[in-house]
Amino acid sequence: NAGVTQTPKFQVLKTGQSMTLQCAQDMNHNSMYWYRQDPGMGLRLIYYSASEGTTDKGEVPNGYNVSRLNKREFSLRLESAAPSQTSVYFCASSEIGRTWDEQFFGPGTRLTVL
Amino acid sequence: DAKTTQPNSMESNEEEPVHLPCNHSTISGTDYIHWYRQLPSQGPEYVIHGLTSNVNNRMASLAIAEDRKSSTLILHRATLRDAAVYYCIPRRAGSYQLTFGKGTKLSVIP
Repeated sequence: NAGVTQTPKFQVLKTGQSMTLQCAQDMNHNSMYWYRQDPGMGLRLIYYSASEGTTDKGEVPNGYNVSRLNKREFSLRLESAAPSQTSVYFCASSEIGRTWDEQFFGPGTRLTVL
Repeated sequence: DAKTTQPNSMESNEEEPVHLPCNHSTISGTDYIHWYRQLPSQGPEYVIHGLTSNVNNRMASLAIAEDRKSSTLILHRATLRDAAVYYCIPRRAGSYQLTFGKGTKLSVIP
């Protein structure tokens, strides 16, 4: 099992450009998540998908959109990138999203916006 | 979400036990206490979680105070691979979110 995979690993954008971060999991999990981690800080939840066909805002959703393409895939889109979105982005998944669930994280995408 | 207080950093000698403390005095009765760790340049990984009783797994032990206002993650024999940032996360019942603080950076000395 590959677990949670993310593409790309690194990306540099200019202010105003758009891009989509891809995430896929092969564990048949129902819930998926997007977090961002700024330097020296903990992770913050951007959006999550409790189950296929649903998405909800997390703590810091402004400037982002998400799509739960199917049970395996959950993408994050930046429509007009800003320097404040320079961060490391982590995708995660969990079996059913309950309070006692373990979340499995991908390796991250390092995004720089100039 | 309950606020947490963890030391910014700790050091341990290799092959010695490590006790990582966390204070979560505002925790509510139904919050689970999760611990994750993040190795350098990697995504976080789950370590352990508990509600009221002490818990053991292959990675660590979790000791939860009787009043649940604090907990301690115990690594029985630290290895170089255990050098990471450790996050204590009270998880509110019904919440999908893990709220990460700044955690404790553990250094392991050979």
